[in-house]
Amino acid sequence: QLQLQESGPGLVKPSEILSLTCSVSGASISSSSLYWVWIRQPPGKGLEWIGSIYYSGTTYYNPSLKSRVTISLDTSKNQFSLKLNSVTAADTAVYYCARGHPSGSYLGPYDHWGRGTLVTVSS
Amino acid sequence: DIQMTQSPSTLSASVGDRVTITCRASQSISTWLAWYQQKPGKAPKFLIYKASTLESGVPSRFSGSAYGTEFTLTISSLQPDDFATYYCQQYNSDSGTFGQGTKVEIK
Repeated sequence: QLQLQESGPGLVKPSEILSLTCSVSGASISSSSLYWVWIRQPPGKGLEWIGSIYYSGTTYYNPSLKSRVTISLDTSKNQFSLKLNSVTAADTAVYYCARGHPSGSYLGPYDHWGRGTLVTVSS
Repeated sequence: DIQMTQSPSTLSASVGDRVTITCRASQSISTWLAWYQQKPGKAPKFLIYKASTLESGVPSRFSGSAYGTEFTLTISSLQPDDFATYYCQQYNSDSGTFGQGTKVEIK
């Protein structure tokens, strides 16, 4: 059974780098034609796609965040990661990792999600 | 950017009611639309893709339909487990935008 689990600091200072890792079990992130995705949800608000990475390593980013985002794969650990630079309070959100549905694209839909992790940006 | 507008924002209903949620796209997205259910403190749960295809394991009381740029999610007979917030998402282009959500609450 596929499971995803986010990990990383829950508190990040303004202007610093937000770094999160998604550990995947039940499937190899490098062995099938799938997308692995980061999505976020500010408290009490809606969902926003951050970016996706294909099993081959090709990345796709939300244009509104593209200048600050890097997503990468670590196939040896069956993990993928998110780095968001120069964070502000507006980046405070629950961050989810997810898998793209086999019928979809880098934009969705997303059929398996991690539980999410709250990251607060504050000094 | 493609805007996704859901209505209503909140819906009050009783167990057994037929419930319909609407999602309108600001431009054509073909049928590249998904629906998710989210409960407080939980990750979204994937329900429907390509506007009307039910994901495996999702109860058959859920259904989706499309007419041009208007999409609907229908719950044929609302169950206690269905009280939640529902989001549509277009995955045709741009940033894969989500609707703002529709909260289905107990009447």
